Amino acid sequence: DTAVSQTPKYLVTQMGNDKSIKCEQNLGHDTMYWYKQDSKKFLKIMFSYNNKELIINETVPNRFSPKSPDKAHLNLHINSLELGDSAVYFCASSHGREYDYGYTFGSGTRLTVV
Amino acid sequence: AQSVAQPEDQVNVAEGNPLTVKCTYSVSGNPYLFWYVQYPNRGLQFLLKYITGDNLVKGSYGFEAEFNKSQTSFHLKKPSALVSDSALYFCAVSHNTGGFKTIFGAGTRLFVKA
Repeated sequence: DTAVSQTPKYLVTQMGNDKSIKCEQNLGHDTMYWYKQDSKKFLKIMFSYNNKELIINETVPNRFSPKSPDKAHLNLHINSLELGDSAVYFCASSHGREYDYGYTFGSGTRLTVV
Repeated sequence: AQSVAQPEDQVNVAEGNPLTVKCTYSVSGNPYLFWYVQYPNRGLQFLLKYITGDNLVKGSYGFEAEFNKSQTSFHLKKPSALVSDSALYFCAVSHNTGGFKTIFGAGTRLFVKA
């Protein structure tokens, strides 16, 4: 009964490949997010969706494309992977906006590009 | 622009002693302040939040935080540290204006020695 689940947990791939990370939440939250945590543990928001609509799109290369088929799912597709994309990617959700109730985070996907 | 600073990369404390993890913020208007904890290979977990009201906020696992408007601080505290409290702690600030997002501090690693 995991609240926010991400798959896969680990992803090792070669430069130039295309990969996807899936996220699902069973909390009934209407807002979902993707965050990137770099090797220094710094967290930076990438995207935010509210009821399947994109509401935050930070300065992220257009190789990264989020897709929200419904409000319980937010997937992240990455084209032409680069070494610098190696990081831990966290999916999160919130009830309404995150400043009201805070986030619930998934356990992360560790992406390693070789 | 809003920002949040955690001046200490690491805090070391002996088990049973009180602990403080510092956080200062900069935001125009009223802040929404949060603390999250991250255990190894896990996503961030919500600890507590301040939106309005009493300056002393109580959260999960015996943690509390004190909001100080004049010093623009929101320090995390616990009267008696446990070894199991050892983790990475993130302060975050949000501001309720159109198009904003939550900003996370760089994190402080807490090490509690038995």
